[in-house]
Amino acid sequence: AQRVTQPEKLLSVFKGAPVELKCNYSYSGSPELFWYVQYSRQRLQLLLRHISRESIKGFTADLNKGETSFHLKKPFAQEEDSAMYYCALRNRDDKIIFGKGTRLHILP
Amino acid sequence: DVKVTQSSRYLVKRTGEKVFLECVQDMDHENMFWYRQDPGLGLRLIYFSYDVKMKEKGDIPEGYSVSREKKERFSLILESASTNQTSMYLCASSQAWSLMTSYEQYFGPGTRLTVT
Repeated sequence: AQRVTQPEKLLSVFKGAPVELKCNYSYSGSPELFWYVQYSRQRLQLLLRHISRESIKGFTADLNKGETSFHLKKPFAQEEDSAMYYCALRNRDDKIIFGKGTRLHILP
Repeated sequence: DVKVTQSSRYLVKRTGEKVFLECVQDMDHENMFWYRQDPGLGLRLIYFSYDVKMKEKGDIPEGYSVSREKKERFSLILESASTNQTSMYLCASSQAWSLMTSYEQYFGPGTRLTVT
């Protein structure tokens, strides 16, 4: 079964502390993985994709095929990082499978 | 810049009404998608289309239909709206899948539909 699991519904982190949003997937084959973010009152937008190996707004995510994970990390949280984060997987049928999302709340 | 627009930001409809949600993209994308977003349930795919007049059911197609008569436009239709269809509806578009490209989905701003 193809599945994306985000185990935390809500994650509260103090400003300046490290952030890790967990994402695990279930997929046979080579997955293509993404993180999307939705800030308050804004549209959903792509944050980063594993194939680019980029860092956006200080966030990085490494694909770990052994652990079937794609956790999103940032060393020092900022208040503007408060948002809803979705991990997503694209399958060969062009469907995007989303996790249920994690709300990140940065505490001052 | 890719633009995905949705016809309404907010809609209030009565139970049993027929509801049309329109989505237009201006990047000549092949794929278009309709999702609903609910607290605790995340994003769920309703339908998607990979070409004009082509459609595929997503995870929760019941109670919905879609229409794609032109490449840039993808409509979601609620034949007879019910209160459990109260939700945020998101449209998205993307290029077609290929071996050489890693595409992203571009999302519209969403339509918050309330069915009373």
